[in-house]
Amino acid sequence: GDQVEQSPSALSLHEGTGSALRCNFTTTMRAVQWFQQNSRGSLINLFYLASGTKENGRLKSTFNSKESYSTLHIRDAQLEDSGTYFCAAEPYQGGRALIFGTGTTVSVSP
Amino acid sequence: GPKVLQIPSHQIIDMGQMVTLNCDPVSNHLYFYWYKQILGQQMEFLVNFYNGKVMEKSKLFKDQFSVERPDGSYFTLKIQPTALEDSAVYFCASSSDSHTEVFFGKGTRLTVV
Repeated sequence: GDQVEQSPSALSLHEGTGSALRCNFTTTMRAVQWFQQNSRGSLINLFYLASGTKENGRLKSTFNSKESYSTLHIRDAQLEDSGTYFCAAEPYQGGRALIFGTGTTVSVSP
Repeated sequence: GPKVLQIPSHQIIDMGQMVTLNCDPVSNHLYFYWYKQILGQQMEFLVNFYNGKVMEKSKLFKDQFSVERPDGSYFTLKIQPTALEDSAVYFCASSSDSHTEVFFGKGTRLTVV
């Protein structure tokens, strides 16, 4: 079965509001990355976490390996935050391949 | 951040022909990867490559696929022969170590007709 379950699949936000995206893992993960895929298809690195919480501007991410989840919080959403967000995790067992979630399409409106 | 360059950005090829996708990884990186994304779907791992060798590959990495990086030049993905189901965006990625942050290129959109 899928090792990375991402939710929600779609999210609509008004400018200035915020929300959270979540990835649950069905196997123990060594680390997680979060990406934003923009309208041109480029993958932008947002966070790399082996544990704990990181913050960058209006984004904050947490990775809890023991409880098998990671979250990405967006606050004060701006129009440029629109895009598809993916988590990708590296299992402890197995090789170096990143396993991607199915993505969350975020639409920010004025 | 670190840049992975992919050439070309788009490629249209006749079914059965050979295609080579080129990737210029981040300069000091040692681990290289190819991923495949069919339009609107999730990214899937194809292969990773280190020290001149394939380290691991997925079931999607068919016998028609091959990778190489001759003497520090481009890291390439070759498909020979191509099939209609190979149409997708192929992303190259690299990392400096085996368990560190991975950086992706902008992808090559391959259309097999």
